[in-house]
Amino acid sequence: GAVVSQHPSWVICKSGTSVKIECRSLDFQATTMFWYRQFPKQSLMLMATSNEGSKATYEQGVEKDKFLINHASLTLSTLTVTSAHPEDSSFYICSANRRRRQAVSGELFFGEGSRLTVL
Amino acid sequence: AQKITQTQPGMFVQEKEAVTLDCTYDTSDQSYGLFWYKQPSSGEMIFLIYQGSYDEQNATEGRYSLNFQKARKSANLVISASQLGDSAMYFCAMRELFTGTASKLTFGTGTRLQVTL
Repeated sequence: GAVVSQHPSWVICKSGTSVKIECRSLDFQATTMFWYRQFPKQSLMLMATSNEGSKATYEQGVEKDKFLINHASLTLSTLTVTSAHPEDSSFYICSANRRRRQAVSGELFFGEGSRLTVL
Repeated sequence: AQKITQTQPGMFVQEKEAVTLDCTYDTSDQSYGLFWYKQPSSGEMIFLIYQGSYDEQNATEGRYSLNFQKARKSANLVISASQLGDSAMYFCAMRELFTGTASKLTFGTGTRLQVTL
């Protein structure tokens, strides 16, 4: 089946540094990818929709300059947490839509997630 | 706007028994899809089952079945013959269909299921 891969799975960084998380669709093209954030014992909250070749669409309350999203190809979207602070520590998870097949069951595939800890 | 409600923060079930996880939803869309995902402690989101709003029959996938009651806007997940490996967080989600553009999933708050011996 289709696979979405995230890297890194775990990252620990110092406050003030930037961290880049990659989301790759391994065997299908994804015109759209979604980035979610999940705090411990809470649900997934959509941060932004990443569109290939165009600017990402951010949800209300999500800082665009803080969470930079780039979707340069049909198989790769990146989320960069800039000038990270301890409150940015969270589980970040991406998902990808298979191109032109958006409504079929199970066509939204999730990455394994990336756990960010900012010291 | 879409909203998913899961009223059970936690559930216990004995091994080999069946359990129902509740999910109600609210939407003004005519076409939508309902999903259930399992999230073990490792964090990955595992797709379990899907129900389209126009599907007349309840979806089934192995030990998972979805009790879809459209008039009541509920989409409960039934797990039969529970196994210890079923212990995890379970999320109900929905998305609008046929919008012409990719639509996002809206998640409920989740139910933590613990299977006991």
